[in-house]
Amino acid sequence: EAQVTQNPRYLITVTGKKLTVTCSQNMNHEYMSWYRQDPGLGLRQIYYSMNVEVTDKGDVPEGYKVSRKEKRNFPLILESPSPNQTSLYFCASSSRASTGELFFGEGSRLTVL
Amino acid sequence: DQQVKQNSPSLSVQEGRISILNCDYTNSMFDYFLWYKKYPAEGPTFLISISSIKDKNEDGRFTVFLNKSAKHLSLHIVPSQPGDSAVYFCAASDGGTYKYIFGTGTRLKVLA
Repeated sequence: EAQVTQNPRYLITVTGKKLTVTCSQNMNHEYMSWYRQDPGLGLRQIYYSMNVEVTDKGDVPEGYKVSRKEKRNFPLILESPSPNQTSLYFCASSSRASTGELFFGEGSRLTVL
Repeated sequence: DQQVKQNSPSLSVQEGRISILNCDYTNSMFDYFLWYKKYPAEGPTFLISISSIKDKNEDGRFTVFLNKSAKHLSLHIVPSQPGDSAVYFCAASDGGTYKYIFGTGTRLKVLA
């Protein structure tokens, strides 16, 4: 089954404790990206990757890092989480950048205390 | 600066009638537009898309209209069904930047 898998689905952590949200896709897609969803703000792009070892900033990259060492994986790293990073996070992938249908994971709800 | 705007946070429609969801954008460089549906506790799922070189695209009950001069697109759902109740996001992409910009969403409720 074609899917994008995120882990963890739910996480409560404390300020400053580094965490990683993993994302894996099994569709051999080249394009992957991360979004956060906040009330009244919709989905905002954090980072995206055109291919292995190629990443770029989206609209809200501050406080986040990503890496793309393998085609299927695109982890989101919060080096020092803060309460304003409490949000619902989605990973997505696509076979074509900018004109392709994005396939989304089920989301990871993160709370930073 | 919200480049993609969905000005109606919510919409209620009777089952069987037409649902019209609207989206406005400001960036004339956008060349591809998409609509997504999102149920609670799930990720968004793709519905329909349209290239900027077209003004209409149909897929079953869903039709997207693009008016480039007005920088406006709309999603028509006919006939509306209770299972269509969800949050709908429009999105736009710019082939030069490879970014996707999403609107804030419209919650559609189809009343049985």
